[in-house]
Amino acid sequence: GQSLEQPSEVTAVEGAIVQINCTYQTSGFYGLSWYQQHDGGAPTFLSYNALDGLEETGRFSSFLSRSDSYGYLLLQELQMKDSASYFCALLNTGFQKLVFGTGTRLLVSP
Amino acid sequence: DGGITQSPKYLFRKEGQNVTLSCEQNLNHDAMYWYRQDPGQGLRLIYYSQIVNDFQKGDIAEGYSVSREKKESFPLTVTSAQKNPTAFYLCATTPRQGVPLHFGNGTRLTVT
Repeated sequence: GQSLEQPSEVTAVEGAIVQINCTYQTSGFYGLSWYQQHDGGAPTFLSYNALDGLEETGRFSSFLSRSDSYGYLLLQELQMKDSASYFCALLNTGFQKLVFGTGTRLLVSP
Repeated sequence: DGGITQSPKYLFRKEGQNVTLSCEQNLNHDAMYWYRQDPGQGLRLIYYSQIVNDFQKGDIAEGYSVSREKKESFPLTVTSAQKNPTAFYLCATTPRQGVPLHFGNGTRLTVT
């Protein structure tokens, strides 16, 4: 099987930088993606890493290390609107299905 | 404009009744997925389909059924065999191998 673990909750203040980690166990996958979900809403796509290294998209960056079975989402210049849940997800090459992590609730305070 | 439509947004049913959740897309995507989300939890895969007339069970398929007769449509039926059906149901599509996943706005099902 496969599993993705994330911290359940992270807190930070406006303007700060926060890192949300994702550790996984899988036999093989295409890449690691990240999604944001506000309360009551649907998840929206943030970032994708097909290869090891850092991908930057505005205030958000995502990192992947296949050798360490580890990735993270980095959020810079935090804003109140960044308060949401964040999920990592990977597509297993054997089963062609996307599996989500346990999710991290980010709380940004003034 | 292109997107994924899930209907209805809220659905209420009595225990023992089957109910079908609609998911329609005009993005011309091949792959479609159904996820279930319980309060404060992550997304769990119910069923997925890579192509018309073909679908596979996800991690929690028991008590659910699907069909994929058209590329645009992937309805999910929650049967009376599903022991705890109250949840937020999300439909998603993707044009290629899982990235990015586009979600509908979800259907919140309450069974009493």
